[in-house]
Amino acid sequence: EADIYQTPRYLVIGTGKKITLECSQTMGHDKMYWYQQDPGMELHLIHYSYGVNSTEKGDLSSESTVSRIRTEHFPLTLESARPSHTSQYLCASSPRAGLEAFFGQGTRLTVV
Amino acid sequence: SQQGEEDPQALSIQEGENATMNCSYKTSINNLQWYRQNSGRGLVHLILIRSNEREKHSGRLRVTLDTSKKSSSLLITASRAADTASYFCATAPSGGYQKVTFGTGTKLQVIP
Repeated sequence: EADIYQTPRYLVIGTGKKITLECSQTMGHDKMYWYQQDPGMELHLIHYSYGVNSTEKGDLSSESTVSRIRTEHFPLTLESARPSHTSQYLCASSPRAGLEAFFGQGTRLTVV
Repeated sequence: SQQGEEDPQALSIQEGENATMNCSYKTSINNLQWYRQNSGRGLVHLILIRSNEREKHSGRLRVTLDTSKKSSSLLITASRAADTASYFCATAPSGGYQKVTFGTGTKLQVIP
């Protein structure tokens, strides 16, 4: 079992609401990632971080933002949720870039 | 565009049979990894093969890598119902392997 946790597991929220998806890991990994995955589809990298105060946008454009104030914590925020944001969001961490990634269980977000 | 593409997209076999999945990618890589995803959950790392390796084994898993053809295969021997899941290949590009890119996935169903 990987020591990386995402909350909530499921979230149904109305359009226009601000939401924060939490991701925490206890492995001391510097590298952390957010992926977006539609059901049965490939993963798209939307944000990554190489350490505290370091964040970069991924390959897929996203209206979400991230922060990395502590090594163990990498939250993702949507300022104003829309139905197009409905998806599964997966958080991962890695001890070194390009090596084995440990994934959380994911947050399935539905915006109505 | 995604780096990796898996083939087939879906595979259904009887318990005890072998399952083979293929992955093709486009650019030079530092390593290639295989992950498993049970329905609606996070990914679990299975095996990593470096660009200078041709074959690797882990339990019932056998991975091959052909860098000249930019392709890899994952063989699961003596499949079990518990192997039912989606399988993804992921590539870490050479020369700056921060962003691991995932393929499109193969959905494997093992029928008891």
